[in-house]
Amino acid sequence: AQSVTQLDSQVPVFEEAPVELRCNYSSSVSVYLFWYVQYPNQGLQLLLKYLSGSTLVESINGFEAEFNKSQTSFHLRKPSVHISDTAEYFCAVSDDGATNKLIFGTGTLLAVQP
Amino acid sequence: SQTIHQWPATLVQPVGSPLSLECTVEGTSNPNLYWYRQAAGRGLQLLFYSVGIGQISSEVPQNLSASRPQDRQFILSSKKLLLSDSGFYLCAWSARQGAGELFFGEGSRLTVL
Repeated sequence: AQSVTQLDSQVPVFEEAPVELRCNYSSSVSVYLFWYVQYPNQGLQLLLKYLSGSTLVESINGFEAEFNKSQTSFHLRKPSVHISDTAEYFCAVSDDGATNKLIFGTGTLLAVQP
Repeated sequence: SQTIHQWPATLVQPVGSPLSLECTVEGTSNPNLYWYRQAAGRGLQLLFYSVGIGQISSEVPQNLSASRPQDRQFILSSKKLLLSDSGFYLCAWSARQGAGELFFGEGSRLTVL
């Protein structure tokens, strides 16, 4: 069965500093990987996704993630964070292209401080 | 463009009362539909998914049920709520064909007292 591990429940960081949010998954087959962001009392918004092709994927607001098959990881990075990046970030995995069921990690709260 | 609507946005219900949360999708046909629950301080747990009208798959044993009476309508129900049913419920949809992302609604916050 698939599982997703986000080891860090909270990551405090100062504004303009770099950040990495870690995500490891467990699956024996081909996978599709996603990062979602959730602002307080809202639904989830897709940040970026890996379905196939280039292992490095980027979002429009400066985040990037790299699919590493040998390490079964999909860590999220940003070279310089803003106060507005403060939110909960969820990593998710699917190995079923028919149903698209996503299995989520427990989330990481990115807390950007001035 | 496609949109997804959930209601009600917030709900406070006594233990033992019934529940009905509704979700509708617009701007697409034959979507896959999902109900997730997010408990306080925890991740998202997949409760139900549906690949077509009347087709419901349950992921975890629980006090809840789901129905899909129309192609773009997904309903989450309970006959008698428990305290443990409290949480943030999220409906989502994805395209039927091929791998892809889920698109989420704004969520329904349920408090059972």
